[in-house]
Amino acid sequence: DQQVKQNSPSLSVQEGRISILNCDYTNSMFDYFLWYKKYPAEGPTFLISISSIKDKNEDGRFTVFLNKSAKHLSLHIVPSQPGDSAVYFCATAGGTSYGKLTFGQGTILTVHP
Amino acid sequence: DVKVTQSSRYLVKRTGEKVFLECVQDMDHENMFWYRQDPGLGLRLIYFSYDVKMKEKGDIPEGYSVSREKKERFSLILESASTNQTSMYLCASRVRGHEQYFGPGTRLTVT
Repeated sequence: DQQVKQNSPSLSVQEGRISILNCDYTNSMFDYFLWYKKYPAEGPTFLISISSIKDKNEDGRFTVFLNKSAKHLSLHIVPSQPGDSAVYFCATAGGTSYGKLTFGQGTILTVHP
Repeated sequence: DVKVTQSSRYLVKRTGEKVFLECVQDMDHENMFWYRQDPGLGLRLIYFSYDVKMKEKGDIPEGYSVSREKKERFSLILESASTNQTSMYLCASRVRGHEQYFGPGTRLTVT
C-alpha cells in the first residue's frame, strides 16, 4: 500500500531548462509536504516544504505546487543546473503523531550541461 | 547547524551476526528515526523514538530492534543479520515542525 508515489523513476533535463518532479498521495489526512534532495553516499537534505493551506511555495529556483483536490504535488526547478543532479524524494506528514514522514520512491534527476 | 552522525559509513557483516548501528545528534532533539533506503522503494521507516527509552515500530520493523538510553543516541540492532538486510541505513532527528535532519547513512552489506 504505497501512500506516496513518484511515478517517474528518472528525469533528464538540459541545463537552463525547467525540471518538473511529480508526486501523488492517497491519504487526505496528510497536511504537510516536503521535498528532500539526496546525493550518492550522503543523507537526504531538506529542500522545500508546503502546508496544505497553501497551493504554492517558492524559494529561489525551487517552487512547490500543491493540488489538494488531485492529491498531487510537484517541484519545479528553474533554471536547472548540473549541480541539481540528485535523487529527489517527496514526503508527507500529518494524521499521525511524533512527526512521522511517509516518503515516495524517489526520482533521479540528471541535468546535462 | 544540526549535526547527525552515524558510527560507520560502510559495514560488511556475515549472515547471522548481530549488528549495531549507532546514531548521535547534537541538538537535543526528542524524536529520532531509523530508515532504510532501497532502489525503487524510497525511504522506509523501521523504528522511531519520541523520548528516552520510548520507541515505536515503523512500517518494516521485522528483524530489527532499537535502543535509546540517552537522548542524543539512537541505536539500531540487527539481531541476526540476513542478506535481505543489505541496504543503506539512514538515521534522522527532529525537534519541532516536520523537517527531519538526516545523518550521512551507513551502507551495510550482509554476505
